[in-house]
Formats: sequence, structure tokens, C-alpha cells
Amino acid sequence: GQNIDQPTEMTATEGAIVQINCTYQTSGFNGLFWYQQHAGEAPTFLSYNVLDGLEEKGRFSSFLSRSKGYSYLLLKELQMKDSASYLCASMDSNYQLIWGAGTKLIIKP
Amino acid sequence: TAGITQAPTSQILAAGRSMTLRCTQDMRHNAMYWYRQDLGLGLRLIHYSNTAGTTGKGEVPDGYSVSRANTDDFPLTLASAVPSQTSVYFCASSDKDGYNEQFFGPGTRLTVL
Repeated sequence: GQNIDQPTEMTATEGAIVQINCTYQTSGFNGLFWYQQHAGEAPTFLSYNVLDGLEEKGRFSSFLSRSKGYSYLLLKELQMKDSASYLCASMDSNYQLIWGAGTKLIIKP
Repeated sequence: TAGITQAPTSQILAAGRSMTLRCTQDMRHNAMYWYRQDLGLGLRLIHYSNTAGTTGKGEVPDGYSVSRANTDDFPLTLASAVPSQTSVYFCASSDKDGYNEQFFGPGTRLTVL
């Protein structure tokens, strides 16, 4: 079966660094996406990895290990506005996204 | 540029009634999708369309139908609503067959009583 696992909730302090992990198992693999979703709003695209390694984009970085079926999203210099849910999604062989339930990130001052 | 719009924003519907959720995009994207999002679950794909004139079933298609008469519009119809269809519905689009990022509409919150 297809499965995406990520922690339900995480708490971090403003200014700190947090790593959100995601493991995936899908029928085929065409890349790993991370989205951000603020409460009551639509998901918005953060990153896409299809090759192993780290992709850095400002305060956010995303890592992929295809052999381990593992990805993480790294958020640096946390700001209060980073409080949101972070959704991990794997693209399967049919180019459909299989979504995790999301990790709710709570930022404390 | 509006991106993707959805209507209505929210709706309360009596069980057994029919309803169409509207979705329009102005980005000329080929692919469009309908998802439902329920607490504690990931987004689940209901139906998709890779290009105008074609549609396909996703993970949870039962009780829903779609059409894609043109590039811009992708309505989702509930023929006879049931309480288990209470959810937040998101429409999304992407430039190709989904290989690129998906852009999401603001969502429709539907309650079936």
C-alpha cells in the first residue's frame, strides 16, 4: 500500500531550528513535495525534491534520501508566522500526489 | 491574476440534496484536481483531469462526479449528499500532468446534515 508518515505535532521556539521528518512508501516515485498550510487556508508549495540531497531555499531546506524513503524539511530562524501545518506528499508512478496528514508546528516566543 | 477561485466559500446542505462546487482557474493549466481534507487525514484525491475533455478517478471518487468542458472550469457535483461528505474541498491545478507544483484554491467548507 501507499503510506506517508510524519509527526502529528511539533513545538519549537522563535529563532530556533526545527526539522520535520517524513517517510514515504508509494507505488513508484516521481518526487517529494512539501507544502505549508496555515489554519483555514489553502496549502502553498514550499519545495520539491526528486534527486537525493539537500535543496536550500532561504530559511527553508528540504532533504531527500530515495534509498531510505525519507525526507525532511528544515526551518531555520523560526518566526511566529511559521506556525502552520507542513504537508509532505510523494508523487507516485501515475503522477498523483499521496499526502501525509501533516505536521502542526507550534512556535513559542 | 486571480489564480484559482472556488465557490461557494461554505455551504450547509441537507442530506439527499445535490450540489455543485465550482472551480475556475485563469493560469491556463492543463491539469486540475479535486481533493477533500478531513481532520487527521491527508488530502485525498477525488477526481482529476489531465487536460480538457478528460477526467479520471482518484482515491475516493464514490458519490462525486466531475466534468472538464474547457481548460478553465472543473466543477465537482455531489448527486445525493450524505453526512460523510462533510469536509473541506480544495480544487487545485498544475501546469502539466502534475509533475509540477499544484496551486490550490481557497477551499469550500461543506457540511451535510
